[in-house]
Amino acid sequence: GENVEQHPSTLSVQEGDSAVIKCTYSDSASNYFPWYKQELGKRPQLIIDIRSNVGEKKDQRIAVTLNKTAKHFSLHITETQPEDSAVYFCAASKTRLDNDMRFGAGTRLTVKP
Amino acid sequence: DSGVTQTPKHLITATGQRVTLRCSPRSGDLSVYWYQQSLDQGLQFLIQYYNGEERAKGNILERFSAQQFPDLHSELNLSSLELGDSALYFCASSLSLGQTEAFFGQGTRLTVV
Repeated sequence: GENVEQHPSTLSVQEGDSAVIKCTYSDSASNYFPWYKQELGKRPQLIIDIRSNVGEKKDQRIAVTLNKTAKHFSLHITETQPEDSAVYFCAASKTRLDNDMRFGAGTRLTVKP
Repeated sequence: DSGVTQTPKHLITATGQRVTLRCSPRSGDLSVYWYQQSLDQGLQFLIQYYNGEERAKGNILERFSAQQFPDLHSELNLSSLELGDSALYFCASSLSLGQTEAFFGQGTRLTVV
């Protein structure tokens, strides 16, 4: 089955700096890669996703890049703010019925004011 | 509100007992996923159902079982509970084929004492 690895497990940045979280996946058939943000005590919520026919996607301060050859994708947050502090999860899945969306272990991002 | 409803929100029970967690997916969503999140841990995929049928299985213990009913709601049954089963159990739903984002419920916090 799919195996998703995520690094780093914790990340601390100064407000205004950029943050980058990286994930690798094992199943070359995976073609959908969402990123979820989980604030303390709350449910994970989708913040951005990318499909395998796209190399990069941007939404305001967040962007995701995908390298299918190397089987890795990354989340980039620019101009970080204290409210970006949360746990971020990457995931990989396939667009078929037996899909089992697998998550990385998560990255705890702390943005210091 | 994601539209995914999980009940109960909190559950405290003793070791050796059995509990049932319930999930109602978003209207129209056919896929239901169950995840376990232990304290300060990532999201461990347990099982996926699609339109009433089991589609994918992750790291689900034999003491755990699940099903999806004709009205598409799902139940996760946990038996012979152990202290280590204490965790947040999330249900997520998606439209079909794993192609769209998965929406998470608020989770059920299970405490085994």
